[in-house]
Amino acid sequence: AQKVTQAQTEISVVEKEDVTLDCVYETRDTTYYLFWYKQPPSGELVFLIRRNSFDEQNEISGRYSWNFQKSTSSFNFTITASQVVDSAVYFCALNEGGYNKLIFGAGTRLAVHP
Amino acid sequence: NAGVTQTPKFQVLKTGQSMTLQCAQDMNHEYMSWYRQDPGMGLRLIHYSVGAGITDQGEVPNGYNVSRSTTEDFPLRLLSAAPSQTSVYFCASSYSAGGNTEAFFGQGTRLTVV
Repeated sequence: AQKVTQAQTEISVVEKEDVTLDCVYETRDTTYYLFWYKQPPSGELVFLIRRNSFDEQNEISGRYSWNFQKSTSSFNFTITASQVVDSAVYFCALNEGGYNKLIFGAGTRLAVHP
Repeated sequence: NAGVTQTPKFQVLKTGQSMTLQCAQDMNHEYMSWYRQDPGMGLRLIHYSVGAGITDQGEVPNGYNVSRSTTEDFPLRLLSAAPSQTSVYFCASSYSAGGNTEAFFGQGTRLTVV
């Protein structure tokens, strides 16, 4: 069965620290998609990144980077030099079989303190 | 573009009452879905639709009905509200059903059933 595990429930860091949010997934499919969404205190869900199962290249976008490793079924997210504005709940999600039927992890609440 | 619009933003219901959560998108997306978000559980899929006239159940469909008469609208009906349906509800839409595009989420509806 498909499943997404975000083992870190809450993380607290001080501004400018680097932080990595872990995501481990389970799927039987060879074709699937992985996503990260950010939910700031205002409550909306903001899309951050999509990665398909055939593309294991790491990606960097500004202070954000993602490490996708099929061998360990992980899709981890690193924020470099964290800022207070990064404080949010971050969700990792898996889509297999199409129809955008997303399976979400429980989320990791990140608190960045000044 | 308004994107995905949900109404109302907040609602309090008494047990046994019925109501409809509205969702509209102006991006001409074929695929729409409803999720509920509960603490510590991430988001779970309630119902989804791959086009006008076509709907199907997600992970937690009991107590909810949907219909899709137009591409733009995808209302979620609570037939007889129960305290277990207290949650934050998100509507989402995406361009394709293939999973290779991100889902756009509405702002959410916070529902309390007393």
